[in-house]
Amino acid sequence: ETGVTQSPTHLIKTRGQQVTLRCSSQSGHNTVSWYQQALGQGPQFIFQYYREEENGRGNFPPRFSGLQFPNYSSELNVNALELDDSALYLCASSFGGHYGYTFGSGTRLTVV
Amino acid sequence: SQQGEEDPQALSIQEGENATMNCSYKTSINNLQWYRQNSGRGLVHLILIRSNEREKHSGRLRVTLDTSKKSSSLLITASRAADTASYFCATPTGTASKLTFGTGTRLQVTL
Repeated sequence: ETGVTQSPTHLIKTRGQQVTLRCSSQSGHNTVSWYQQALGQGPQFIFQYYREEENGRGNFPPRFSGLQFPNYSSELNVNALELDDSALYLCASSFGGHYGYTFGSGTRLTVV
Repeated sequence: SQQGEEDPQALSIQEGENATMNCSYKTSINNLQWYRQNSGRGLVHLILIRSNEREKHSGRLRVTLDTSKKSSSLLITASRAADTASYFCATPTGTASKLTFGTGTRLQVTL
């Protein structure tokens, strides 16, 4: 049984650019959530996908968007990057969303 | 916004001692979960306690839940250097069961 895999592990982008982060969910899990974690803070919920549909969204602007594919893998896209977008982005998968989540190791995004 | 607040923010103990960290939350919950995070990496799910449970054990971990006080505690017994990490409580809220995290407790276990 594989866990949650995220790519890339680290990324440096320039302000104004666009970025795509990828996540492969754990086998058997049909729900994927994305979180943003700023340094020294707890993770903040961005959005969740269930059966390829957005199933809830946190307090993030529309330039944060996502996709879930038929194999339950997912992408997080961020347009018009801002310096404050620098953070660790975590992907988490679960079955149904009401139980414990399996998190990936995260993508460290730095915007300069 | 943060649903949970962990206390203390930082804790330093020696190997072999017990570590206790507390979490308070604001809204009614279905369950409460504890996670560990090593050095800014991914979170590892430690234990889930349901709202109708008062105490739960898993190895060296003991979690209690008091829904009347909207609080939970995590006890790590006989701490090891490998327990050094940040610990977060999280509660699923809303139809999406999004996890709302506290700010975490940074635990340092020294030899």
